Amino acid sequence: EVQLAESGGGLVQPGGSLRLSCAASGFTFSNYAMSWVRQAPGKGLEWVSATSGSDGSTHYADSVKGRFTISRDNAKSTMYLQMNSLRAEDTAIYYCAKRARGAWYYFDDWGQGTLVTVSS
Amino acid sequence: QSVLTQPPSASGTPGQRVTISCSGSSSNIGSNTVNWYQQFPGTAPKVLIYSNNQRPSGVPDRFSGSKSGTSASLAISGLQSEDEADYYCAAWDDSLNGRYVFGPGTKVTVL
Repeated sequence: EVQLAESGGGLVQPGGSLRLSCAASGFTFSNYAMSWVRQAPGKGLEWVSATSGSDGSTHYADSVKGRFTISRDNAKSTMYLQMNSLRAEDTAIYYCAKRARGAWYYFDDWGQGTLVTVSS
Repeated sequence: QSVLTQPPSASGTPGQRVTISCSGSSSNIGSNTVNWYQQFPGTAPKVLIYSNNQRPSGVPDRFSGSKSGTSASLAISGLQSEDEADYYCAAWDDSLNGRYVFGPGTKVTVL
């Protein structure tokens, strides 16, 4: 059974930093691209960033480019999101999501999410 | 402002058919497949339809998807009370070095 467990969320002041983790199990982590998707309170889903399985390629939403860095440790089956220069508008539940295998781009498994609150 | 557009709400009585539209452009829906996610309050989203019209195992066949040009739609036939949820369309977008885009979501209410 696929399991994705986010951690690292919490309260941080504007301008601060936070690192989220997503621990994966139940599948061969290195074979799958992964993403972070966030959801501000009462709002819709927003894709944040993606990392490929093994070739190191990454993508970012414009709203976080230059501030957030996605990475992964395939040996530990863990994905990370380093968030710097945090703003109030980054307040959201952050989900990690596994991209399905194959040519189609969609997420077939999601974690339960971790809440990040940016406030003074 | 979302790249994809959806109506904010839709409703129907039990047994009715409800359709949700999703409009995009040539860089997303027009050139990539469309996915639909269902989300209940306080829970993570779940894929409902992928590749325009494919249902993952376990998704009831009353849910169906279609795509034409730069638009897509999700249909719920035989609406049930447990279908009351938020529904998001999504697709890969080839612009701006590539990104995955979600619609703003449609709240389905069962009257």
